[in-house]
Amino acid sequence: AQRVTQPEKLLSVFKGAPVELKCNYSYSGSPELFWYVQYSRQRLQLLLRHISRESIKGFTADLNKGETSFHLKKPFAQEEDSAMYYCALRAAGNMLTFGGGTRLMVKP
Amino acid sequence: DAGVTQSPTHLIKTRGQQVTLRCSPISGHKSVSWYQQVLGQGPQFIFQYYEKEERGRGNFPDRFSARQFPNYSSELNVNALLLGDSALYLCASSRTAGQGYGYTFGSGTRLTVV
Repeated sequence: AQRVTQPEKLLSVFKGAPVELKCNYSYSGSPELFWYVQYSRQRLQLLLRHISRESIKGFTADLNKGETSFHLKKPFAQEEDSAMYYCALRAAGNMLTFGGGTRLMVKP
Repeated sequence: DAGVTQSPTHLIKTRGQQVTLRCSPISGHKSVSWYQQVLGQGPQFIFQYYEKEERGRGNFPDRFSARQFPNYSSELNVNALLLGDSALYLCASSRTAGQGYGYTFGSGTRLTVV
């Protein structure tokens, strides 16, 4: 069975500081990893997926199969980055398994 | 282009009642999935449908059922509601049921069971 763990419920940083949201997963096969973001009063939206290796809104994430991690990083946090972030894994069954989420608060 | 639309947005039901939630996927998307998000937790997978066939089912009791229509819209039914069914129910659509495609989520239906 697959599992996604986001160890931090809340991450608080100052504007301009680097951000790293941690995500660890357990799955024996080749997973597909995603980051979803939910801004206040908005729907859950796709931020990144590892297969596209893109940078969205300055965020990047690298899949580390050895450490089974998919941490989300941004070098300089902005106040508008404040939101709930969910890491998700899609295995062969096509369902998404989500972590518990991390609330990012960027203080001015 | 309309996104994933869900109705109703909010619903209050009494224990033991039945509820039907509706979802219309993005035009051209043939796969619909349902997720339950309890307050303070990440979404949990309930069902996936593709081309009107069930492709996956999460660890939910038989009180939960769903179907997909020829126009790819979907309904989620929950019978004999319990207080613990109170949650945000999310619908997500995708072009196919395979890997390589991301899911687009709706705004959800907030169900409160009293």
